[in-house]
Amino acid sequence: ETGVTQSPTHLIKTRGQQVTLRCSSQSGHNTVSWYQQALGQGPQFIFQYYREEENGRGNFPPRFSGLQFPNYSSELNVNALELDDSALYLCASSHQRETNTDTQYFGPGTRLTVL
Amino acid sequence: KQEVTQIPAALSVPEGENLVLNCSFTDSAIYNLQWFRQDPGKGLTSLLLIQSSQREQTSGRLNASLDKSSGRSTLYIAASQPGDSATYLCALLTSGSRLTFGEGTQLTVNP
Repeated sequence: ETGVTQSPTHLIKTRGQQVTLRCSSQSGHNTVSWYQQALGQGPQFIFQYYREEENGRGNFPPRFSGLQFPNYSSELNVNALELDDSALYLCASSHQRETNTDTQYFGPGTRLTVL
Repeated sequence: KQEVTQIPAALSVPEGENLVLNCSFTDSAIYNLQWFRQDPGKGLTSLLLIQSSQREQTSGRLNASLDKSSGRSTLYIAASQPGDSATYLCALLTSGSRLTFGEGTQLTVNP
């Protein structure tokens, strides 16, 4: 059983650019959640994808968007990057059933720096 | 809106000491509560998970308790070691399958 993986590990972009972060979910999991963790703070929920559809969103602007693919891997896209987007982006996968919510397992994160 | 507070923000102790980290939350409608460990610049490692119907969980030198009625959880670390130095985060799983995190307690165990 493979764990949650994320790519790339580190990324440097300039203000105004666009970025795509990738996440491969743990085998058997159908749900992916994305979190943003600014330096010195706890992670903040961005959104979640369940069976290829967005299933809940936190307080993030529309320039944060995502996708989930048939194999349940996921992408996080951020347009028009701002300096405050610099953070560790964490992906978590879980197996969600119709009537239950399961534990989330986290990947190692992608460190994004916006200059 | 669920709010999670962790006290203290930072803690420095000598090796061998027993210690308690605190987590409080405002909404008791939770599915579960997890304690995570995070090393600098790294991802999250799950330490303990307490389901909503449970009162505590133990793993090795770690013990976590949950009191939904008072909106509190504690993480007890026995016989602390320098390798325990890290940031400890508590997180609550609520409706919508989202985790709400506290800001963490940065623990330093001095040899």
